[in-house]
Amino acid sequence: NAGVTQTPKFRILKIGQSMTLQCTQDMNHNYMYWYRQDPGMGLKLIYYSVGAGITDKGEVPNGYNVSRSTTEDFPLRLELAAPSQTSVYFCASRPAGGGETQYFGPGTRLLVL
Amino acid sequence: AQSVTQLDSQVPVFEEAPVELRCNYSSSVSVYLFWYVQYPNQGLQLLLKYLSGSTLVESINGFEAEFNKSQTSFHLRKPSVHISDTAEYFCAVRALFGGGSNYKLTFGKGTLLTVNP
Repeated sequence: NAGVTQTPKFRILKIGQSMTLQCTQDMNHNYMYWYRQDPGMGLKLIYYSVGAGITDKGEVPNGYNVSRSTTEDFPLRLELAAPSQTSVYFCASRPAGGGETQYFGPGTRLLVL
Repeated sequence: AQSVTQLDSQVPVFEEAPVELRCNYSSSVSVYLFWYVQYPNQGLQLLLKYLSGSTLVESINGFEAEFNKSQTSFHLRKPSVHISDTAEYFCAVRALFGGGSNYKLTFGKGTLLTVNP
């Protein structure tokens, strides 16, 4: 199993541009999450999904959108990039039922200039 | 809503010294508790978790944490650290009840542990 994969690893955007951060998991996990990590601030939940077709907002959803058309994929869309969206973005997944462990991808570093 | 406070943003220690990373949480309902570790330029990995049962939980690499309900704490300890333990450590909680909050982790701001030779 590859686990949770994220692409790209690093991206520079200009203000106002749009992009999609890709996240794929091959563990058949129902739950998927998008976090952003800023220095000294820990991780903040952007959006999450409890299954294909079901998504909901986390703590900091403004400026982002998500979709979940399949179990495997959970892309994060930035429509109009702003400097405040400069961050490291992590995708995570976890199985339904017991265990409680979230499995994280390697992250996407985004710089908005 | 839940919140997590990690009292130290940075903890420098010498190799083979003991270490304690402190974590306090706030919640109006019962919680599960977690410690995640992030090595440089990597994603987070679960280190250990408390779900139920014994309040003392251990990881495979010598860390342990004790759930103290009365003090709402879940401090992480290791009796003798190695250079390879240098990483950022995050405490997290998950509420057991409350609709959508059931599925979400709330993280602390992290503690950077630096082990020096």
